[in-house]
Amino acid sequence: KAGVTQTPRYLIKTRGQQVTLSCSPISGHRSVSWYQQTPGQGLQFLFEYFSETQRNKGNFPGRFSGRQFSNSRSEMNVSTLELGDSALYLCASSLSGLPFSGANVLTFGAGSRLTVL
Amino acid sequence: GIQVEQSPPDLILQEGANSTLRCNFSDSVNNLQWFHQNPWGQLINLFYIPSGTKQNGRLSATTVATERYSLLYISSSQTTDSGVYFCAAPSGGGSEKLVFGKGTKLTVNP
Repeated sequence: KAGVTQTPRYLIKTRGQQVTLSCSPISGHRSVSWYQQTPGQGLQFLFEYFSETQRNKGNFPGRFSGRQFSNSRSEMNVSTLELGDSALYLCASSLSGLPFSGANVLTFGAGSRLTVL
Repeated sequence: GIQVEQSPPDLILQEGANSTLRCNFSDSVNNLQWFHQNPWGQLINLFYIPSGTKQNGRLSATTVATERYSLLYISSSQTTDSGVYFCAAPSGGGSEKLVFGKGTKLTVNP
């Protein structure tokens, strides 16, 4: 079956612009999580969506937002880009809905590498 | 929140050598995952191992939940094993949010 698909894979933006990243989870997976990876901070949790509802949110400013559609596809948006937003943005999906079980195993996409100039 | 620490931060091996990577976590966990990130950035799930031992080919993992650590063993390493290995544990409360360690960067030389 198809894995987690993230688009675009690479993009370059300038400060002040906004960006939208897309994530299509594995068919049947209802939970989508987003992580930011930078050399300095490592992998940091952004947010998690389940059945179109944001279930958890990390410690990021309000410029970072996301949503999930009825088909479980998710998008994240970063507005008013800053140089520090340059990072690899990773999306992961899982069956979820069953805490404390193997349904929480995450499968990651290849990531979207954002460069802000 | 939970703290996840990995050691060593860097590891250089010759092809064919064995290695052990360690992950310590500060609180009890019901979900501990190991990932391998290849040079292109792709994170691959290696093990979901909240407790006990699992093996997959040359890789195996053991989690001792009562002592709050997990070990990843790589035997007969190959150059394709190079990359960064991360362990991750949930932040708590049944959340899907995983807290990642800083990783162990493994370089396997031919």
